[in-house]
Amino acid sequence: DVVMTQSPLSLPVTLGQPASISCRSSQSLVHSDGNTYLSWFQQRPGQPPRLLIYKISDRFSGVPDRFSGSGAGTDFTLKISRVEPEDVGVYYCMQDTQFPFTFGPGTKVDIK
Amino acid sequence: QVHLVQSGAEVKKPGASVKVSCKASGYSFTGYYIHWVRQAPGQGLEWMGWINPSSGGPIYAQKFQDRVTLTRDTSITTAYMELSSLRSDDTAVYYCARSASSGAPAYWGQGTLVTVSS
Repeated sequence: DVVMTQSPLSLPVTLGQPASISCRSSQSLVHSDGNTYLSWFQQRPGQPPRLLIYKISDRFSGVPDRFSGSGAGTDFTLKISRVEPEDVGVYYCMQDTQFPFTFGPGTKVDIK
Repeated sequence: QVHLVQSGAEVKKPGASVKVSCKASGYSFTGYYIHWVRQAPGQGLEWMGWINPSSGGPIYAQKFQDRVTLTRDTSITTAYMELSSLRSDDTAVYYCARSASSGAPAYWGQGTLVTVSS
């Protein structure tokens, strides 16, 4: 199985400041079709996960443009350009290139 | 709009089975895969498998291969996840989620808490 790791696991942030989360996979996530299926999710307390980014950098419908994704191969990053209060929660990366799909352990984002 | 509504919380004894339903609406049911993901209390997300509602063909994570069955009923646009031989460590919130066009789980149900306790 592809192992996903994230860093940091805890990220205290200042409102209005940028934040960045790293995600690494144990194998390349490039699919045979040429796409890289790496997604990012936000989970607020008591809620289901919410898809933010898919295929490394495509923002899902309704996601604010302060969220952006980048990376290639095995190294990926989620950036929040200016953290808002509603961004508090746990962020997960997930690979859906290879079965079984696998999630990272999560990064808890809270306000300093 | 896309809407997934799951069945209610369940309490089961070890060794029993549970079947969770996921009623879909607001889109063409057979056009998108349905994922099943679980989350143990205070823990992360774990992908269990997905089903192609058009063909009915499932793919399971090997960890659950022997105990999980994913099915669907297209006549009532509902997907099901059945987990057998329940253990205490199966206590979790179980989510269904419809795939985006890329395949990633994009539209999530509200979750179903399954508690396994003697």
